[in-house]
Amino acid sequence: DAGVIQSPRHEVTEMGQEVTLRCKPISGHDYLFWYRQTMMRGLELLIYFNNNVPIDDSGMPEDRFSAKMPNASFSTLKIQPSEPRDSAVYFCASRNDRGGEKLFFGSGTQLSVL
Amino acid sequence: QKEVEQNSGPLSVPEGAIASLNCTYSDRGSQSFFWYRQYSGKSPELIMFIYSNGDKEDGRFTAQLNKASQYVSLLIRDSQPSDSATYLCAVRFSGGYQKVTFGTGTKLQVIP
Repeated sequence: DAGVIQSPRHEVTEMGQEVTLRCKPISGHDYLFWYRQTMMRGLELLIYFNNNVPIDDSGMPEDRFSAKMPNASFSTLKIQPSEPRDSAVYFCASRNDRGGEKLFFGSGTQLSVL
Repeated sequence: QKEVEQNSGPLSVPEGAIASLNCTYSDRGSQSFFWYRQYSGKSPELIMFIYSNGDKEDGRFTAQLNKASQYVSLLIRDSQPSDSATYLCAVRFSGGYQKVTFGTGTKLQVIP
């Protein structure tokens, strides 16, 4: 398996623009997590899905952020409108119950909002 | 707010020494504890996890839990320069279902 695949690897955009980050989890994994990492706050959980259903979105910072998982092999995290304080590395991770509690992380998307 | 606290470091140890990393957590009922390693510019990878019922050893790595004091430690024996990375402690709190909360990480430097 290719692991968790995220795109794009880098995104540079201007304040006010819409940003869409994409994630393909490992096949057969039924949990998908979106994390954001900054130097100041570390890794923060934004939202997670179980069997494509959002379970906990309490970490989503505000209404500008939204996430969807239309099927078991694809998820998006959208920021509209983007702001400079959204600049961070966004990680997607997946896991299943058969593999224990290990999270498999994607390579991340480095987002810079100018 | 349930929290996981770590000293940011850097923690510097000579090659071959034992590196000791610690983190504290706020919820006494926590069930699962994890140590992830993250190299600069890379994604986190799991190196150890333990449940609330005991410690675990895997090669040069040992994870220990002190429930009374609410801290988790990671010992790395015979430290190697390749162990130089940031180590993230993570906890699955009680009542959090599958939510895993991470500390901000401790940077380890192993000096050749």
